[in-house]
Amino acid sequence: AQTVTQSQPEMSVQEAETVTLSCTYDTSESDYYLFWYKQPPSRQMILVIRQEAYKQQNATENRFSVNFQKAAKSFSLKISDSQLGDAAMYFCAYRSATTQGGSEKLVFGKGMKLTVNP
Amino acid sequence: DSGVTQTPKHLITATGQRVTLRCSPRSGDLSVYWYQQSLDQGLQFLIQYYNGEERAKGNILERFSAQQFPDLHSELNLSSLELGDSALYFCASSRGGVETEAFFGQGTRLTVV
Repeated sequence: AQTVTQSQPEMSVQEAETVTLSCTYDTSESDYYLFWYKQPPSRQMILVIRQEAYKQQNATENRFSVNFQKAAKSFSLKISDSQLGDAAMYFCAYRSATTQGGSEKLVFGKGMKLTVNP
Repeated sequence: DSGVTQTPKHLITATGQRVTLRCSPRSGDLSVYWYQQSLDQGLQFLIQYYNGEERAKGNILERFSAQQFPDLHSELNLSSLELGDSALYFCASSRGGVETEAFFGQGTRLTVV
């Protein structure tokens, strides 16, 4: 079974600074997807960024970028120019890319609370 | 707004009772997923339906059941409720297929007293 680990339960960053959230995962599969979701106080789960394991290039979405290290099974999220609206819980998630067994479920880490200080 | 609608937003009920949570997926989405978010267990996958058929089961208790109707909306039924069932229950939907993105509803906060 796949597992996702977020070892830092909380982090804080100054507004306009850069912060990196870490995530490691364990899988025996070679093809999969990795995601970062954001959950603000409104509790809505919002997709921040996704990475396909077969792509060597790291995904970027505006101020958000990832550092995907497949061999190390590491998937960190970098937030540049942090804004007050970035304050939220952040969840790392894994999805298998095979449909064997039929499940397209997401496996989540425990989450990390990010505080942005003005 | 993700386009996924969950009702009710909040629910308070007593132990031993039964409740039904409802989810309307985004227009065109065939897959519906249910997740439970609790403080001790985190976000856990419960069950997935695709076009009316159960596709996958996760850590869903026998006291819980779900179904997806012909109009693709889904219901999660929780019975013989216990204090430990208090959690945030999310529904998500997608077109189906591992490459498609799952969109989450705002969740139903269930409190069992």
